[in-house]
Amino acid sequence: GIQVEQSPPDLILQEGANSTLRCNFSDSVNNLQWFHQNPWGQLINLFYIPSGTKQNGRLSATTVATERYSLLYISSSQTTDSGVYFCAVEPGNAGKSTFGDGTTLTVKP
Amino acid sequence: DAGVIQSPRHEVTEMGQEVTLRCKPISGHNSLFWYRQTMMRGLELLIYFNNNVPIDDSGMPEDRFSAKMPNASFSTLKIQPSEPRDSAVYFCASTQQAYGEQYFGPGTRLTVT
Repeated sequence: GIQVEQSPPDLILQEGANSTLRCNFSDSVNNLQWFHQNPWGQLINLFYIPSGTKQNGRLSATTVATERYSLLYISSSQTTDSGVYFCAVEPGNAGKSTFGDGTTLTVKP
Repeated sequence: DAGVIQSPRHEVTEMGQEVTLRCKPISGHNSLFWYRQTMMRGLELLIYFNNNVPIDDSGMPEDRFSAKMPNASFSTLKIQPSEPRDSAVYFCASTQQAYGEQYFGPGTRLTVT
């Protein structure tokens, strides 16, 4: 099956800093999503981005499908950004998603 | 819309008991997914339905697990008999189409003692 690798596994930032999270995948995909799992366990949609670039406030994401990676940018980080960020992909030949292991982000005040 | 609704939010049961988890997808969504999250294995897809029909159940760990979707607005995941290793958070998600943006419910935290 498709392999999804996220990096870095852990990231500690000071409030106000910027960061880039990466998701590499091993095969072509129909769908790619970024999620934030907050400290209460809720999975929150950030971006649905099979290709191209999207922005939502301080967050933006870029997927380069031909090179099989996606990037999530967080600018001016806040303590509420803490949690685990997951990338999930749907391979081109199936309707089911595979999740990466996530990046655990801790933003310190 | 209320989003994906799951019940119960927490379930504590003894080994050997039957457990039933419930999910109501977002109205108008045609696909429904059941996931399990553990520290060891991360987020795993167990089964997904499209138009109430099970499409892929290859992630269901054992015959003790079964899932049904009797109509477009309700699905159940049943574990019978439950075992301590089934302890996890179980998420339900839905999408408007087979390939699309998934929306997750709040999850059910299951503890089997």
